[in-house]
Amino acid sequence: NAGVTQTPKFRVLKTGQSMTLLCAQDMNHEYMYWYRQDPGMGLRLIHYSVGEGTTAKGEVPDGYNVSRLKKQNFLLGLESAAPSQTSVYFCASRTGGVVGDTQYFGPGTRLTVL
Amino acid sequence: DAKTTQPPSMDCAEGRAANLPCNHSTISGNEYVYWYRQIHSQGPQYIIHGLKNNETNEMASLIITEDRKSSTLILPHATLRDTAVYYCIVRVGSGYSTLTFGKGTMLLVSP
Repeated sequence: NAGVTQTPKFRVLKTGQSMTLLCAQDMNHEYMYWYRQDPGMGLRLIHYSVGEGTTAKGEVPDGYNVSRLKKQNFLLGLESAAPSQTSVYFCASRTGGVVGDTQYFGPGTRLTVL
Repeated sequence: DAKTTQPPSMDCAEGRAANLPCNHSTISGNEYVYWYRQIHSQGPQYIIHGLKNNETNEMASLIITEDRKSSTLILPHATLRDTAVYYCIVRVGSGYSTLTFGKGTMLLVSP
């Protein structure tokens, strides 16, 4: 099991450019999440999905879009990148529907917007 | 989800037990206590969780007070690799509720 993987690991964008971050999990988890983490801060939830074809907004959704076309993949898109979106992005997944189930995180994507 | 309070930083000597406290005085009856840690630049890693009984696994022990208003994570023999930020999170056990990360406790293990 690879667990949760994220692509790419690093990326530098110019303001206004677009990109897509890919998260993949091989644990057959129903729930998937995208977080961002700024220096010295905890993780903040951007969007999440409770199943294939469903998405919902988290705490800081503005400027991001997501899609969950396949159960194992959760994509995070930036349509027009801004310097305020410079951050480390973490994807996570969990089984869902099981009391006390745990959340597994990917290694993160470091994004810099110039 | 209930809020948690943790000290911003703690020190521990290598080989000694590290005891990390967490207050969650507004915890509800159906909320679990979870502990995660984040080693520098890596994704958070699950450590342990519990509802009301004490729990132990290969990584740590979790002690929850009888009134469930506070808990302590115990790393029995801390190593340098345990240096990390430790997050105490309270969350409803099922459903799609997410983990709400605060600033955690920065544990520094020194030789």
